[in-house]
Formats: sequence, C-alpha cells, structure tokens
Amino acid sequence: NAGVTQTPKFQVLKTGQSMTLQCAQDMNHEYMSWYRQDPGMGLRLIHYSVGAGITDQGEVPNGYNVSRSTTEDFPLRLLSAAPSQTSVYFCASSRGLGGSYNEQFFGPGTRLTVL
Amino acid sequence: KNEVEQSPQNLTAQEGEFITINCSYSVGISALHWLQQHPGGGIVSLFMLSSGKKKHGRLIATINIQEKHSSLHITASHPRDSAVYICAAQGGTYKYIFGTGTRLKVLA
Repeated sequence: NAGVTQTPKFQVLKTGQSMTLQCAQDMNHEYMSWYRQDPGMGLRLIHYSVGAGITDQGEVPNGYNVSRSTTEDFPLRLLSAAPSQTSVYFCASSRGLGGSYNEQFFGPGTRLTVL
Repeated sequence: KNEVEQSPQNLTAQEGEFITINCSYSVGISALHWLQQHPGGGIVSLFMLSSGKKKHGRLIATINIQEKHSSLHITASHPRDSAVYICAAQGGTYKYIFGTGTRLKVLA
C-alpha cells in the first residue's frame, strides 16, 4: 500500500497562475480532505469529500475547487493563485464514521509558494 | 481564545526524561486525536481517544471529558521523539479543530 500520495512535493507559482495539487489513496477510504498549514496556526480544512461525487466546503474554501470522480483521487485546484495561498498543503483520508475508522492518514504534503 | 489550546508551545528535554504535553479544548467532541509531525513534515496519527487512557510503547494518552483536557506523555524520551505533537478535537463527523502544536526537542 502506498497510503496517501501527493504531487508535487514543491511548487512555485506566479500570482494569477492556476494549478492542480494531486492526491490519491489506495486504501479504499471514503473520506478525503485537504488542509493547509501555516506558521503559528493549526491545520485548517479547505474542502472535504465523503465519497465519490460528494464534496463540501471546509473552513477556508475561497480560491480553491475540488472534485471527486473516483474513490481514489481528490485533486485540489487553485483557480488564480495569490500570495496568501503560500502554504503547506496536506491531503488526508479515513475510512469513515465511528471508532477507529476516524483515524486519518496524511499525505507527505505539498509546499506551495506564490510569488 | 482558540477552541483547542496546547501547552507548552516549545519543549526541550534531556534524553530519558518523562515528558507531558497538554491539550485543552472548549468544544464538545466525539474524539480527541494526537498526531506527530516529523521534522521532514510528514504527519502520522498516534492516538484517537474518546475516554480514558491509551498506551502504545512509550507513549501514553489520557483524556478527561469532564475537564475537557487531554495529555500526551512520553516515557524515557529519546532524540528520535523530537517532533511537533498536535492535538485535534473531532467536534462532529467531519469537523476537526487542530491545535497549533508543541515542538519537542530531546537532547542526547
């Protein structure tokens, strides 16, 4: 099992550019989410999905889009990058509801810099 | 006031010391999670607690639901324990509120 994979690991963008951060998991997890981590702040939820075809907004969704066409993949799209989106992005997945199923598995992160 | 607060923010210990990291939360929870973030950035789940105490190797996590407080203890600390430890309150099915983390450095 590869677990949760993310690409790229590092990315530099210019203001206004768009890009997609990729996330995939091979554990057949229903729940997937995207977080951003900024210095001095806890992880903040951007978007999440409870299954293929179902997505919803988290705490800080502005400037980001997601889709979930398959159970395995959950890409995060930056529509028009801004310096405020400079951050480290983590994708996570879990099996679903209840008990140990709520343990989240995290990807290695993508460090994004927007100039 | 943050809904999840950790203390201390930074901690330096000598190898072998007993370490305690605290987490207080102000929201209702279904579970409390402890995570470890390695110096390279990767995040792994250590514990998920809804009551009582859990132990895994040298790590012990406890929770007091009435006081809305959880602790993570590390016995016989080792330099490889150096990491950022994060607590997260699971307030709803999909709602996690993360603390800002405790940066631990264990010196040999």
